[in-house]
Amino acid sequence: KAGVTQTPRYLIKTRGQQVTLSCSPISGHRSVSWYQQTPGQGLQFLFEYFSETQRNKGNFPGRFSGRQFSNSRSEMNVSTLELGDSALYLCASTISGVSTDTQYFGPGTRLTVL
Amino acid sequence: QQQVKQSPQSLIVQKGGISIINCAYENTAFDYFPWYQQFPGKGPALLIAIRPDVSEKKEGRFTISFNKSAKQFSLHIMDSQPGDSATYFCAASKGNFNKFYFGSGTKLNVKP
Repeated sequence: KAGVTQTPRYLIKTRGQQVTLSCSPISGHRSVSWYQQTPGQGLQFLFEYFSETQRNKGNFPGRFSGRQFSNSRSEMNVSTLELGDSALYLCASTISGVSTDTQYFGPGTRLTVL
Repeated sequence: QQQVKQSPQSLIVQKGGISIINCAYENTAFDYFPWYQQFPGKGPALLIAIRPDVSEKKEGRFTISFNKSAKQFSLHIMDSQPGDSATYFCAASKGNFNKFYFGSGTKLNVKP
């Protein structure tokens, strides 16, 4: 079956702009989590959505937001971009959102902020 | 404050050798500890995971050793192969929530 897909794969924006990233989970998966990966900070949890509701949230400013649609597809939005937002943004899906479920990660969206 | 500390940052091992990566945590509420493998250009992929009620779990060439009293766990890769060259991350979560704290990663290079 198809894996987790993320679009776009690469994105270049300038400071102050906003960006929307998309994640399509594996068919049948109801939980989608988002992570930011940078060389300095590693993998950091942003938030998790389950059945269109945000269940968990990491320690990121309010500029980072997300949503999940009824088909489980999720979007992540970053407003007023800063240079430090340059990162690989990964989404992961699980069947039921339980920690012991296998998390399947997408290939990520590489965001560069100039 | 990093909740999960991972070492070493990088590791070079000869083919056929044993690769050992260590992680330590502070929060005793953590109750699930997975390890992920990431190749360049790909997202992380789950390798193996353990709960704190067991001290060791083995799957093929991969073994997790868990020391609850020391709050440490480690990944052992036996008979390391060049194809194992990747970045490895440990992680932890608590209370069955799908929120993971990741270590900083170890870049493993297995020399042929």
